[in-house]
Amino acid sequence: DAGVIQSPRHEVTEMGQEVTLRCKPISGHNSLFWYRQTMMRGLELLIYFNNNVPIDDSGMPEDRFSAKMPNASFSTLKIQPSEPRDSAVYFCASSFTSGFGETQYFGPGTRLLVL
Amino acid sequence: GNSVTQMEGPVTLSEEAFLTINCTYTATGYPSLFWYVQYPGEGLQLLLKATKADDKGSNKGFEATYRKETTSFHLEKGSVQVSDSAVYFCALSSGGYNKLIFGAGTRLAVHP
Repeated sequence: DAGVIQSPRHEVTEMGQEVTLRCKPISGHNSLFWYRQTMMRGLELLIYFNNNVPIDDSGMPEDRFSAKMPNASFSTLKIQPSEPRDSAVYFCASSFTSGFGETQYFGPGTRLLVL
Repeated sequence: GNSVTQMEGPVTLSEEAFLTINCTYTATGYPSLFWYVQYPGEGLQLLLKATKADDKGSNKGFEATYRKETTSFHLEKGSVQVSDSAVYFCALSSGGYNKLIFGAGTRLAVHP
């Protein structure tokens, strides 16, 4: 199994530009999570989907952030316009939710630097 | 609301020393508890988990026991190695959808 795949692995952009992060979950998983990790704030859950439907986006920091999951094998996190304070590592994770206690599997992350 | 508190790092140990990283939680209902590990430059990966009270999770020499009476899930290892140097996250899930709530993470550095 290839695991969770994220692209790009590194992104450097200038303030004001649009940034799109991509995630392919593990085949057969029905839940997908986007996290952001910074030194100051630690690991934050931004949004999660179940069966391609957004369940809770209360962690999305502001309207500049949006996420979509058009099908079971693909999700995007978009920042428009980007700002220097968005610099962080963004992780995607997936799991198969059937009851409780299931493991989330994390991708390698996208390291974003906004200049 | 649900929350996880773990000991602040960094924790610095010599190889073969005993490791304890404390983790306590606040949760309604009956959460599942997890320890994840993050090696430099990588994503998080599951180290061990426990889904009910008194369960012991174990993996790679690490252990943690789900203690409902003390709301704790402390991570232990009898003899650490340099390769165990990483950041360790305690987490809980409660309710549907497997949403995880993470602690702040504890950085472990093991020296030869």
